[in-house]
Amino acid sequence: DAGITQSPRHKVTETGTPVTLRCHQTENHRYMYWYRQDPGHGLRLIHYSYGVKDTDKGEVSDGYSVSRSKTEDFLLTLESATSSQTSVYFCAISARGEKLFFGSGTQLSVL
Amino acid sequence: DQQVKQNSPSLSVQEGRISILNCDYTNSMFDYFLWYKKYPAEGPTFLISISSIKDKNEDGRFTVFLNKSAKHLSLHIVPSQPGDSAVYFCAASLIGNAGNMLTFGGGTRLMVKP
Repeated sequence: DAGITQSPRHKVTETGTPVTLRCHQTENHRYMYWYRQDPGHGLRLIHYSYGVKDTDKGEVSDGYSVSRSKTEDFLLTLESATSSQTSVYFCAISARGEKLFFGSGTQLSVL
Repeated sequence: DQQVKQNSPSLSVQEGRISILNCDYTNSMFDYFLWYKKYPAEGPTFLISISSIKDKNEDGRFTVFLNKSAKHLSLHIVPSQPGDSAVYFCAASLIGNAGNMLTFGGGTRLMVKP
């Protein structure tokens, strides 16, 4: 298994509060991604990073920001959580090849 | 508008029989296709892939077929086993400066009955 750790695994928060999810990798891969999984939508790309401090938006980036200050860490922040952001969040990494390797996910509930 | 679609949300198959999962795409620029398998409470795991220059790739019980003219790919599992019960996602790739950008279908839940 690829060395990817997501934290926390579960989070319950209230509308309007800030939330930060962390993804940590031990593979030294260049590319990192945040996806969210929702029923009927599969996995949708939120943001991605192609190097330290190099990030860009994905398909569903509104309401989210990211930061990558070190190769191994990629943070996803919800500045003011909304109920529509209740979802399962997956971090993924890639060395550039065709395959992405996914973490175990973070279940986020915004009440 | 979804560029990758899996039109069957679920599929039920008897153990030992063939499972066929289908996927359609709209973007002819996709250059690589992948299938991922996902168990509950776990992340998706890579299963099999195919380059756009090929029409078939086989790995043990799993075979992926690509029909570029129809913009259609399928995953065949033969023989199906109860442990294959999971959600299967097809994904299409555009490799660019930002690495591998995967676009996923909505998933198909496969249930293999003993």
